[in-house]
Amino acid sequence: AQSVTQLGSHVSVSEGALVLLRCNYSSSVPPYLFWYVQYPNQGLQLLLKYTSAATLVKGINGFEAEFKKSETSFHLTKPSAHMSDAAEYFCAVSLLTGGFKTIFGAGTRLFVKA
Amino acid sequence: DAMVIQNPRYQVTQFGKPVTLSCSQTLNHNVMYWYQQKSSQAPKLLFHYYDKDFNNEADTPDNFQSRRPNTSFCFLDIRSPGLGDAAMYLCATGEVSGANVLTFGAGSRLTVL
Repeated sequence: AQSVTQLGSHVSVSEGALVLLRCNYSSSVPPYLFWYVQYPNQGLQLLLKYTSAATLVKGINGFEAEFKKSETSFHLTKPSAHMSDAAEYFCAVSLLTGGFKTIFGAGTRLFVKA
Repeated sequence: DAMVIQNPRYQVTQFGKPVTLSCSQTLNHNVMYWYQQKSSQAPKLLFHYYDKDFNNEADTPDNFQSRRPNTSFCFLDIRSPGLGDAAMYLCATGEVSGANVLTFGAGSRLTVL
């Protein structure tokens, strides 16, 4: 069964610093991987997705993620944090077999300090 | 713009009083999902519809039911809400012909008194 582990429930960075949010997945078949962002009292929005094309995926708002099969990782990065990046970030895995389900990691709350 | 709309955004109910939350979509996606999200936790899948085919998660309580009368609408019924059912309920749609990217509504926050 597929699963997702996000390392660190809270990450705090200074404005302008590198953002690194970690995600490891477990899947018996090549998965689709996603990062979603959630702002307070809102639904989730797609940041970026990996669908077995390029291993380095670029998303919205300057975020990108690299799929590393050997490490079963899909870490999210942004070179320079902005105050508006403060939010909850969820890594997710989806299989188009077994019911078309998307399973979310526990989430990482990003704090950005001025 | 194509979107997913949830109503109401905020729902207050009394312990044991039935509640219905609604979700509509203009994306014409064939899959609709209901997730429960409690504070500072990941969304937890309750069930989903693939077209008219209903798929219940094994650990979803019987207190939760769903209806999908047509492609555009899906409802979540909570028959007898308990204090532990207070949460944000998220509706999402997906199109399995692609990577099944989910499009979420803004959520319905349920308070149980």
